[in-house]
Amino acid sequence: EAGVAQSPRYKIIEKRQSVAFWCNPISGHATLYWYQQILGQGPKLLIQFQNNGVVDDSQLPKDRFSAERLKGVDSTLKIQPAKLEDSAVYLCASSLTPSGRGETQYFGPGTRLLVL
Amino acid sequence: QKEVEQNSGPLSVPEGAIASLNCTYSDRGSQSFFWYRQYSGKSPELIMFIYSNGDKEDGRFTAQLNKASQYVSLLIRDSQPSDSATYLCAGAPNSGGYQKVTFGTGTKLQVIP
Repeated sequence: EAGVAQSPRYKIIEKRQSVAFWCNPISGHATLYWYQQILGQGPKLLIQFQNNGVVDDSQLPKDRFSAERLKGVDSTLKIQPAKLEDSAVYLCASSLTPSGRGETQYFGPGTRLLVL
Repeated sequence: QKEVEQNSGPLSVPEGAIASLNCTYSDRGSQSFFWYRQYSGKSPELIMFIYSNGDKEDGRFTAQLNKASQYVSLLIRDSQPSDSATYLCAGAPNSGGYQKVTFGTGTKLQVIP
């Protein structure tokens, strides 16, 4: 079974530029998550999709971040314009269903973003 | 106040010893708890989840949950150098039909050969 795919793996941009990340979840997984992990911290949920609908985006900085999941499969996360503090690893994860106890989230390899 | 708190460590244990990793949480609505392992430069991977009070064992790993004390722990028996990683504790309430997982900052474990 193929895992969660993400691209690019690394990205270096200057502040105020825009950047986009792509995620392809495990086939059949209805729920997709985007996390931001700053060095030395745990992952912070940015947005959670159930199929192609948003179920939680309470921690997404909506003035600069946007995300979509077309057709309930692939997803893109965009930052425009980027700030220095956006330097982090952006992790995509997916799970079979969003609810229930012990639902396992499978993480992709992440995209390491450096904003200069 | 952080919702899930962990000691950042590092926690150093000799090879073959028991490593004890602890986590407290503030949201009494949290129903499920997870322990993820994250090697340096890699993504988190699930080790165990627990949602009932008491102990849950899986090989060398034992998760313990005490909802009254809002305390979760992970014991690693016969620690190996390959266990050296950051261990993330996470909690999830069962709200609105979906679970929103909140991660702690992680505890770095070093197993000394």
